Parts: sequence; structure tokens; C-alpha cells
Amino acid sequence: DSGVTQTPKHLITATGQRVTLRCSPRSGDLSVYWYQQSLDQGLQFLIQYYNGEERAKGNILERFSAQQFPDLHSELNLSSLELGDSALYFCASSVDTSGLYTDTQYFGPGTRLTVL
Amino acid sequence: GENVEQHPSTLSVQEGDSAVIKCTYSDSASNYFPWYKQELGKRPQLIIDIRSNVGEKKDQRIAVTLNKTAKHFSLHITETQPEDSAVYFCAASLYSSASKIIFGSGTRLSIRP
Repeated sequence: DSGVTQTPKHLITATGQRVTLRCSPRSGDLSVYWYQQSLDQGLQFLIQYYNGEERAKGNILERFSAQQFPDLHSELNLSSLELGDSALYFCASSVDTSGLYTDTQYFGPGTRLTVL
Repeated sequence: GENVEQHPSTLSVQEGDSAVIKCTYSDSASNYFPWYKQELGKRPQLIIDIRSNVGEKKDQRIAVTLNKTAKHFSLHITETQPEDSAVYFCAASLYSSASKIIFGSGTRLSIRP
């Protein structure tokens, strides 16, 4: 167990709908990262938040958005869902305070999203 | 931006033999190189990482080597066991005000009994 929690574990919805995925980082970690992993694909970096502020963006669609709250948990919002959005969505967290090197990222168990 | 290439995409080795997975990266300023193991349907788990101030790191049967001049790094697993079967991802990262880890495409390792 990495200490990172994600809810829900599974989500089944229809095209055009909107869903929210939730992530709680490890205690003490300030950064939260979101990744998308499609079937048999690699990990695509979506977005990073650090202490409540957006820090880095990857290949995140405009239909997707995220935020990090004062208690450091994060939510990923996916709207106008399409069949191709079906994937595993992972969040990861890290301390991210070293100032020299990227800190180790610890992954949550993921949310499996199925869009029908 | 950073790009990480990983080879091979699939690898099958006899139990007890060694497995080697190689990655190259594009940004010479990258300074952190983790390796993750992902079993089917589970989260990626860090197995070893190396920072650019060292050339090699070992942890029991797993070792990683880094060649900064050539911009490549490798994962070596010795005395492979059935539980080593999984997908392995390499990654590279440059720490900055907007650091992010870029992952390779993964290697599916199968251990033959």
C-alpha cells in the first residue's frame, strides 16, 4: 500500500456525461500528479498540482480539468466523455520539496473508467 | 520537451536467466531516472531509481546503470523468477519549477518456467 488513495475504484458511465475522480495523497506529500493509462498503453502525464496550485501540464484535453484543495486532496473532472476516454486513471503524490531532484512518486490504485 | 524511448517492448527469458531493458532520453538536463513495475490491473510500483550523480545502483537482484554522455540507462534483473513477470516502465525527469516525469512505453517481461 503506497498511502495514496483513489475513489472510486470503478466507474461506468455513458458518452457525453461528466465524472469526478478523487485522490488523497500520502501524508506530508504536497504534489499530486494525474496520469491516464489506456489499454496496454503507457502512462500519459496529464497534470500536476503543488500545494494547491497548478504546476505542470501534459497532454490534458480541454474537456478535462483538475484542482487541489486546501487539505491537499485532488479531483480530476472529465466532461463530455467519449468512448476513447475509457482508461485507468492514476494519481501519484510526492513530497516535492528537495529543490534539486524530482522526488519519488507513489501511485494510487487507480480508477478504471468505462465509457459506454 | 523530454522524450523517453524504451526497448524492447516485449521480453521473454528463461527462469534464472538475466533480463535487460534499455531506455534513452532526449533532454540532457534530466537528472532523475526511476523504474516502475506494474502487474496486471495494479498500480505502478517504484522498484529502483537513480539520480544523475551516480552511474550505477543495485538492490539485490535489480540494478540500474546510467550513461549520461550517451543519454541512456538500463535495468538489469538477475536470476529471474516467475514473480518478475510484469510490465516495466522507465522514466526520466528534470527538476524545475514545473517538473514532470516522462515515462517510456513499457516492456512486458515474461519469465518462462
